Amino acid sequence: DQQVKQNSPSLSVQEGRISILNCDYTNSMFDYFLWYKKYPAEGPTFLISISSIKDKNEDGRFTVFLNKSAKHLSLHIVPSQPGDSAVYFCAASGWGSQGNLIFGKGTKLSVKP
Amino acid sequence: SQTIHQWPATLVQPVGSPLSLECTVEGTSNPNLYWYRQAAGRGLQLLFYSIGIDQISSEVPQNLSASRPQDRQFILSSKKLLLSDSGFYLCAWNPGTTGQETQYFGPGTRLLVL
Repeated sequence: DQQVKQNSPSLSVQEGRISILNCDYTNSMFDYFLWYKKYPAEGPTFLISISSIKDKNEDGRFTVFLNKSAKHLSLHIVPSQPGDSAVYFCAASGWGSQGNLIFGKGTKLSVKP
Repeated sequence: SQTIHQWPATLVQPVGSPLSLECTVEGTSNPNLYWYRQAAGRGLQLLFYSIGIDQISSEVPQNLSASRPQDRQFILSSKKLLLSDSGFYLCAWNPGTTGQETQYFGPGTRLLVL
């Protein structure tokens, strides 16, 4: 059973517009959520995180929103740039997981000039 | 600052041959270490994690094994590779302290089994 789901395998956005990447989770014990960005043939790089005591965290063009009641989080990128084109992975961890992260399958974002 | 290295970067191996992938972390001590695999069109699958020397947990049954001979060294091995072992292998680390769940990934090793 997939505990972290990214239901959109791909997303295409025009440069300058907002990109919204979504992620749903099923385990109510998750209390820390992360987004990673991955280019082909490279390791994922950490982008932004949020703990369950917050509902929003912002870092430059990237904002993560957490809706605990809906078990849903989203990553907003605004404005989107062609260099943002990559696969974005959502990940979650919870109490007692020893730091283990549960990853979604990723969403491939394409930002078109 | 901390850095994580993986080698080799790419590897082509015949079916049935052995495998050894190495991961080392610099600039930290007693990290948690992880091996993941990303198969074509799939997400990141956790294979092994280690919270200390000779302390390794396996997440999925398979013909792969992991060892941690030193604090900052993590090795992924196989005695006989299968075609299905092809994929992109990623090593990751985190500080190993409560509340520090963010993991940092290495550059990865692309393995092709023919």
